[in-house]
Amino acid sequence: GDSVTQMEGPVTLSEEAFLTINCTYTATGYPSLFWYVQYPGEGLQLLLKATKADDKGSNKGFEATYRKETTSFHLEKGSVQVSDSAVYFCALTGPYGGATNKLIFGTGTLLAVQP
Amino acid sequence: DAGVTQSPTHLIKTRGQQVTLRCSPKSGHDTVSWYQQALGQGPQFIFQYYEEEERQRGNFPDRFSGHQFPNYSSELNVNALLLGDSALYLCASSLGGTQNTGELFFGEGSRLTVL
Repeated sequence: GDSVTQMEGPVTLSEEAFLTINCTYTATGYPSLFWYVQYPGEGLQLLLKATKADDKGSNKGFEATYRKETTSFHLEKGSVQVSDSAVYFCALTGPYGGATNKLIFGTGTLLAVQP
Repeated sequence: DAGVTQSPTHLIKTRGQQVTLRCSPKSGHDTVSWYQQALGQGPQFIFQYYEEEERQRGNFPDRFSGHQFPNYSSELNVNALLLGDSALYLCASSLGGTQNTGELFFGEGSRLTVL
């Protein structure tokens, strides 16, 4: 079945460092891909998404590119801040438009940014 | 514009008891999904309700049941609680049918502890 694999954490970085969190997927067809973020004590928030191959999702300085050839959707940010400390989840769902939006999540990667 | 609201935020039950969790979707949304997030894991899809019917179900036993009301709010019921049911239960709302964009909006969750 469909699945998402993301790098294990925790990832500990100093402020202004470059961030990469790896995510690869297995899916039939052409899924939509997402990054969700969970700040301490809060629910999941959509960070960015991409719905077709070569699309780049971006938000708040974060970027991820849908790479069909490598089945990857790696999350990057050029300069992290302490406020970016959170758990990041990669997820996929079927092509939208009548689909049920069932999300399949990775296990999450904890990012800790130190001042 | 109120987002997704869940109640209660925290609750403690003992093995064998039953629990009901409640969710009000984001204004204008007609589809509600429930996820279980065990500690240190990604959310796992339980089921989704649309037009007051269960539209899709994940790999959860029949002890997990739900309901959607005409105002689109939803309940998750878990019977005969087990220690392993201890988790954060997340509700997510979205638009169904032809308005489906593939995006889910999550509540902050109900943390259930089973003793």
